[in-house]
Amino acid sequence: NAGVTQTPKFQVLKTGQSMTLQCAQDMNHEYMSWYRQDPGMGLRLIHYSVGAGITDQGEVPNGYNVSRSTTEDFPLRLLSAAPSQTSVYFCASSYQLGEKLFFGSGTQLSVL
Amino acid sequence: AQSVTQLDSHVSVSEGTPVLLRCNYSSSYSPSLFWYVQHPNKGLQLLLKYTSAATLVKGINGFEAEFKKSETSFHLTKPSAHMSDAAEYFCVVIFHGSSNTGKLIFGQGTTLQVKP
Repeated sequence: NAGVTQTPKFQVLKTGQSMTLQCAQDMNHEYMSWYRQDPGMGLRLIHYSVGAGITDQGEVPNGYNVSRSTTEDFPLRLLSAAPSQTSVYFCASSYQLGEKLFFGSGTQLSVL
Repeated sequence: AQSVTQLDSHVSVSEGTPVLLRCNYSSSYSPSLFWYVQHPNKGLQLLLKYTSAATLVKGINGFEAEFKKSETSFHLTKPSAHMSDAAEYFCVVIFHGSSNTGKLIFGQGTTLQVKP
């Protein structure tokens, strides 16, 4: 099992550019989520999904889109990057909501 | 409003002394509660999870947490700190919604420093 695979590991964008952070898991997990981690603010939930075809907003959803067309994949789209989106992003999944979370290795994103 | 508050952003203890990391939450319902740890340049690891079977939950590496509903708290403790415990600790709460949905919300984190 690869676990949670998150790509890319590093990315630099210019303001206004769009991009997609990829997240895939091979553990048949129903629950998947995206977080951003900023110093002194912990991990803040961006979007989450409890199963294929179901997504919902977290604490800080503005400027981000998600979709869950398959159980395995949960991509995060930045529509028009802004410097405030400079952060470390983590994808996480669990078998079901409330079970142990498995994390991807993170994406360090800089928006200039 | 649903929220998770870790009362200390930074805790410093000497090796061999007790550790207390505090977490309070606000919720209208009985939440699901966790503690995760993040060592420098490493991923997050589950320390323990409250399942409502017992209010005192034992986790890995000698950590425990006690759920106190009346105080809406879930503080993390360890009797004797080890140098390897130095890390950032996150209290995590699930705020359940309808149709088995729910938001898994992290506290702001507490950095634990262990001095020799």
